Amino acid sequence: AQSVTQLGSHVSVSEGALVLLRCNYSSSVPPYLFWYVQYPNQGLQLLLKYTSAATLVKGINGFEAEFKKSETSFHLTKPSAHMSDAAEYFCAVSNTGGFKTIFGAGTRLFVKA
Amino acid sequence: GAGVSQSPSNKVTEKGKDVELRCDPISGHTALYWYRQRLGQGLEFLIYFQGNSAPDKSGLPSDRFSAERTGESVSTLTIQRTQQEDSAVYLCASTTLQGSTEAFFGQGTRLTVV
Repeated sequence: AQSVTQLGSHVSVSEGALVLLRCNYSSSVPPYLFWYVQYPNQGLQLLLKYTSAATLVKGINGFEAEFKKSETSFHLTKPSAHMSDAAEYFCAVSNTGGFKTIFGAGTRLFVKA
Repeated sequence: GAGVSQSPSNKVTEKGKDVELRCDPISGHTALYWYRQRLGQGLEFLIYFQGNSAPDKSGLPSDRFSAERTGESVSTLTIQRTQQEDSAVYLCASTTLQGSTEAFFGQGTRLTVV
Protein backbone atom coordinates (compact mmCIF):
# COMPACT_ATOMS: atom_id res chain seq x y z
CA ALA A 1 0.00 0.00 0.00
CA GLN A 2 1.11 3.53 -0.68
CA SER A 3 0.06 6.94 0.54
CA VAL A 4 1.22 10.53 0.35
CA THR A 5 0.71 13.35 2.83
CA GLN A 6 1.37 16.96 1.97
CA LEU A 7 1.56 19.13 5.05
CA GLY A 8 -0.14 22.46 4.54
CA SER A 9 -2.78 23.01 1.91
CA HIS A 10 -1.61 26.63 1.54
CA VAL A 11 1.86 28.11 1.91
CA SER A 12 2.62 31.80 1.59
CA VAL A 13 6.12 33.21 1.17
CA SER A 14 7.58 36.55 0.23
CA GLU A 15 9.37 37.01 -3.07
CA GLY A 16 13.01 36.06 -2.58
CA ALA A 17 12.33 33.88 0.46
CA LEU A 18 12.94 30.16 0.80
CA VAL A 19 10.21 27.88 -0.46
CA LEU A 20 9.65 24.65 1.48
CA LEU A 21 6.77 22.35 0.58
CA ARG A 22 6.50 19.20 2.66
CA CYS A 23 5.73 15.70 1.47
CA ASN A 24 5.78 12.46 3.43
CA TYR A 25 5.08 9.10 1.90
CA SER A 26 4.29 5.59 2.93
CA SER A 27 5.24 2.64 0.76
CA SER A 28 5.72 -1.08 1.41
CA VAL A 29 8.31 -1.27 -1.37
CA PRO A 30 11.02 1.14 -2.53
CA PRO A 31 9.20 4.14 -3.94
CA TYR A 32 9.54 6.41 -6.88
CA LEU A 33 8.63 9.97 -5.93
CA PHE A 34 7.50 12.91 -8.01
CA TRP A 35 6.65 16.57 -7.71
CA TYR A 36 4.26 18.09 -10.20
CA VAL A 37 3.26 21.72 -10.65
CA GLN A 38 -0.05 23.05 -11.89
CA TYR A 39 -0.19 26.65 -13.01
CA PRO A 40 -3.60 28.34 -13.14
CA ASN A 41 -5.92 26.87 -15.76
CA GLN A 42 -3.34 24.36 -16.93
CA GLY A 43 -2.70 20.65 -16.59
CA LEU A 44 -0.02 19.18 -14.36
CA GLN A 45 3.60 19.05 -15.44
CA LEU A 46 6.56 17.28 -13.91
CA LEU A 47 8.93 19.34 -11.78
CA LEU A 48 11.29 16.56 -10.74
CA LYS A 49 11.41 12.89 -9.80
CA TYR A 50 13.36 10.47 -7.61
CA THR A 51 14.02 7.05 -9.11
CA SER A 52 16.59 5.56 -6.68
CA ALA A 53 19.67 7.25 -8.09
CA ALA A 54 20.87 10.43 -6.37
CA THR A 55 18.88 11.31 -3.26
CA LEU A 56 19.08 15.03 -4.04
CA VAL A 57 17.12 15.67 -7.19
CA LYS A 58 17.21 18.90 -9.15
CA GLY A 59 14.27 19.94 -11.25
CA ILE A 60 13.10 22.75 -13.43
CA ASN A 61 12.85 26.40 -12.38
CA GLY A 62 15.43 26.06 -9.60
CA PHE A 63 13.47 23.56 -7.53
CA GLU A 64 15.06 20.58 -5.84
CA ALA A 65 13.96 17.81 -3.49
CA GLU A 66 15.78 15.42 -1.21
CA PHE A 67 14.74 11.83 -0.64
CA LYS A 68 15.19 10.92 3.02
CA LYS A 69 14.35 7.28 3.61
CA SER A 70 14.74 7.52 7.38
CA GLU A 71 12.16 10.29 7.51
CA THR A 72 10.02 8.94 4.64
CA SER A 73 10.09 12.46 3.22
CA PHE A 74 10.56 14.13 -0.13
CA HIS A 75 10.30 17.84 0.61
CA LEU A 76 10.47 20.36 -2.22
CA THR A 77 12.63 23.46 -1.85
CA LYS A 78 13.70 26.52 -3.76
CA PRO A 79 16.18 29.01 -2.29
CA SER A 80 14.48 32.14 -3.59
CA ALA A 81 10.81 32.38 -4.51
CA HIS A 82 9.71 34.19 -7.62
CA MET A 83 6.25 35.53 -8.35
CA SER A 84 5.98 33.06 -11.23
CA ASP A 85 6.26 30.17 -8.75
CA ALA A 86 2.72 30.78 -7.53
CA ALA A 87 0.91 27.56 -8.40
CA GLU A 88 -0.42 24.30 -6.99
CA TYR A 89 2.18 21.65 -6.21
CA PHE A 90 1.46 17.94 -5.98
CA CYS A 91 3.65 15.20 -4.54
CA ALA A 92 3.13 11.66 -5.85
CA VAL A 93 4.44 8.15 -5.18
CA SER A 94 4.60 5.07 -7.37
CA ASN A 95 6.69 1.91 -7.65
CA THR A 96 7.44 -0.86 -10.09
CA GLY A 97 4.79 -3.53 -10.10
CA GLY A 98 1.77 -1.85 -11.56
CA PHE A 99 0.55 -0.15 -8.42
CA LYS A 100 -1.23 3.00 -9.37
CA THR A 101 0.41 6.33 -8.72
CA ILE A 102 -0.92 8.05 -5.61
CA PHE A 103 -1.11 11.85 -5.48
CA GLY A 104 -1.12 14.05 -2.43
CA ALA A 105 -3.86 16.59 -1.84
CA GLY A 106 -1.71 19.42 -3.15
CA THR A 107 -0.21 22.58 -1.68
CA ARG A 108 -1.07 25.96 -3.09
CA LEU A 109 1.91 28.31 -3.03
CA PHE A 110 1.31 32.04 -2.78
CA VAL A 111 4.18 34.46 -3.40
CA LYS A 112 3.89 37.97 -1.99
CA ALA A 113 5.66 40.93 -3.51
CA GLY B 1 0.90 11.79 -30.53
CA ALA B 2 3.13 14.40 -28.93
CA GLY B 3 1.14 14.55 -25.73
CA VAL B 4 -2.09 13.53 -24.04
CA SER B 5 -5.05 15.03 -25.82
CA GLN B 6 -8.45 15.55 -24.24
CA SER B 7 -11.66 16.60 -25.88
CA PRO B 8 -13.71 18.63 -25.64
CA SER B 9 -11.75 21.26 -23.75
CA ASN B 10 -14.98 22.74 -22.43
CA LYS B 11 -18.44 21.26 -22.12
CA VAL B 12 -21.60 22.89 -20.84
CA THR B 13 -24.51 20.54 -20.37
CA GLU B 14 -27.93 20.63 -18.83
CA LYS B 15 -28.63 18.76 -15.64
CA GLY B 16 -29.82 15.25 -16.40
CA LYS B 17 -28.03 14.92 -19.73
CA ASP B 18 -25.30 12.37 -20.42
CA VAL B 19 -21.79 13.48 -21.38
CA GLU B 20 -18.83 11.68 -22.86
CA LEU B 21 -15.27 12.86 -22.38
CA ARG B 22 -12.42 11.60 -24.49
CA CYS B 23 -8.74 11.03 -23.80
CA ASP B 24 -6.07 10.19 -26.36
CA PRO B 25 -3.00 8.96 -24.48
CA ILE B 26 0.59 9.06 -25.61
CA SER B 27 1.27 6.20 -28.01
CA GLY B 28 2.69 3.20 -26.21
CA HIS B 29 1.51 4.25 -22.76
CA THR B 30 -0.09 1.22 -21.21
CA ALA B 31 -1.41 2.94 -18.10
CA LEU B 32 -4.15 5.57 -18.14
CA TYR B 33 -5.76 7.52 -15.29
CA TRP B 34 -8.81 9.71 -14.97
CA TYR B 35 -9.01 12.33 -12.21
CA ARG B 36 -11.58 14.91 -11.22
CA GLN B 37 -10.53 18.30 -9.94
CA ARG B 38 -13.16 20.57 -8.45
CA LEU B 39 -12.48 24.29 -8.32
CA GLY B 40 -9.65 25.01 -5.91
CA GLN B 41 -9.35 21.38 -4.91
CA GLY B 42 -6.81 18.60 -5.36
CA LEU B 43 -6.94 15.57 -7.62
CA GLU B 44 -9.68 13.04 -7.01
CA PHE B 45 -8.78 9.64 -8.46
CA LEU B 46 -11.54 8.12 -10.56
CA ILE B 47 -10.26 5.11 -12.51
CA TYR B 48 -7.00 3.44 -13.58
CA PHE B 49 -6.48 1.32 -16.68
CA GLN B 50 -3.42 -0.91 -16.54
CA GLY B 51 -2.82 -2.66 -19.83
CA ASN B 52 -5.11 -5.65 -20.25
CA SER B 53 -5.79 -6.06 -16.55
CA ALA B 54 -9.16 -5.25 -15.07
CA PRO B 55 -9.39 -1.50 -14.42
CA ASP B 56 -9.25 -0.13 -10.91
CA LYS B 57 -12.63 1.55 -10.58
CA SER B 58 -12.37 2.22 -6.88
CA GLY B 59 -12.55 5.99 -7.30
CA LEU B 60 -15.73 6.25 -9.34
CA PRO B 61 -18.13 8.24 -7.14
CA SER B 62 -21.38 6.64 -8.30
CA ASP B 63 -22.80 4.25 -10.86
CA ARG B 64 -23.52 7.25 -13.08
CA PHE B 65 -19.81 7.28 -13.89
CA SER B 66 -18.22 4.74 -16.21
CA ALA B 67 -15.13 4.56 -18.38
CA GLU B 68 -13.86 2.40 -21.17
CA ARG B 69 -10.56 1.83 -22.84
CA THR B 70 -9.84 -0.55 -25.68
CA GLY B 71 -6.31 -1.88 -25.54
CA GLU B 72 -3.79 0.92 -25.24
CA SER B 73 -5.80 3.44 -27.18
CA VAL B 74 -8.44 6.04 -26.54
CA SER B 75 -10.40 6.15 -23.32
CA THR B 76 -13.84 7.63 -22.78
CA LEU B 77 -15.34 8.71 -19.49
CA THR B 78 -19.12 8.79 -19.48
CA ILE B 79 -21.25 10.57 -16.93
CA GLN B 80 -24.94 9.74 -17.07
CA ARG B 81 -27.72 11.95 -15.78
CA THR B 82 -25.32 14.74 -14.90
CA GLN B 83 -25.75 16.67 -11.68
CA GLN B 84 -24.48 20.09 -10.73
CA GLU B 85 -21.95 18.55 -8.36
CA ASP B 86 -20.34 16.88 -11.39
CA SER B 87 -19.08 20.30 -12.51
CA ALA B 88 -15.28 20.09 -12.44
CA VAL B 89 -12.21 19.71 -14.59
CA TYR B 90 -11.66 16.11 -15.65
CA LEU B 91 -8.01 15.29 -16.17
CA CYS B 92 -6.55 12.33 -18.00
CA ALA B 93 -2.98 11.11 -17.61
CA SER B 94 -1.03 8.35 -19.30
CA THR B 95 2.23 6.65 -18.42
CA THR B 96 4.09 3.38 -18.80
CA LEU B 97 4.05 0.50 -16.35
CA GLN B 98 7.56 1.44 -15.31
CA GLY B 99 6.94 3.11 -12.00
CA SER B 100 9.82 5.47 -12.62
CA THR B 101 8.07 7.06 -15.60
CA GLU B 102 6.12 10.14 -14.74
CA ALA B 103 2.48 10.64 -15.64
CA PHE B 104 1.77 12.90 -18.59
CA PHE B 105 -1.38 14.94 -18.19
CA GLY B 106 -3.78 16.36 -20.70
CA GLN B 107 -5.11 19.89 -20.40
CA GLY B 108 -8.40 18.60 -19.07
CA THR B 109 -12.06 18.95 -19.93
CA ARG B 110 -13.91 21.63 -18.00
CA LEU B 111 -17.44 20.35 -17.43
CA THR B 112 -20.16 22.74 -16.34
CA VAL B 113 -23.58 21.37 -15.51
CA VAL B 114 -26.32 24.01 -15.53
